[in-house]
Amino acid sequence: QEKVQQSPESLIVPEGAMVSLNCSFSDSASQSIWWYQQHPGKGPKALISIFSNGNKKEGRLTVYLNRASLHVSLHIKDSQPSDSAVYLCAVSPMNYNQGKLIFGQGTKLSIKP
Amino acid sequence: GPKVLQIPSHQIIDMGQMVTLNCDPVSNHLYFYWYKQILGQQMEFLVNFYNGKVMEKSKLFKDQFSVERPDGSYFTLKIQPTALEDSAVYFCASSLGQGSGNTLYFGEGSRLIVV
Repeated sequence: QEKVQQSPESLIVPEGAMVSLNCSFSDSASQSIWWYQQHPGKGPKALISIFSNGNKKEGRLTVYLNRASLHVSLHIKDSQPSDSAVYLCAVSPMNYNQGKLIFGQGTKLSIKP
Repeated sequence: GPKVLQIPSHQIIDMGQMVTLNCDPVSNHLYFYWYKQILGQQMEFLVNFYNGKVMEKSKLFKDQFSVERPDGSYFTLKIQPTALEDSAVYFCASSLGQGSGNTLYFGEGSRLIVV
């Protein structure tokens, strides 16, 4: 069974800082890795996904994937108070083509104005 | 963006009673999912559904659970009978296609409290 671990559990940074969130997974053959944002009382919202080794940039977000080290990271540039939320890393296990995602426990991010 | 609507947002129910959670997925989506999140724990996959059939279910999808989407209406999760450990937030999601590259769109959840 695929395992997904996120660090840190929580993070407080000042507005404008660069944020780095980490996620490790257990199966190098996993398919896409997703980052979701979840505000209190809301459902998760997909932010960005990556499949191939390397990095992918979308707006203020950059994600880095290293399958050899079973690690993926999300970086948020120029953080805003509205970025305050729980960030969930989710992995699509190998051989599952049915939309099943394995979620990490999340990182709670707080951006201080 | 695409919206998934869930009804009810909250429900308190006596143990042993039946509960139905309703989901209105994104209009042109074909794949539907239920996930369960217990307070303070990670979100866990329950079941996915396509073309009127369950495609895959997890160990959390107990015999007391059932899903259906009659005549293209709501996609429902029914629990009968409920147990105390069923207390959780249940999230519905939908996607246009299958495969790991397809975005899952989640609703805001139905918080179920079994007393």
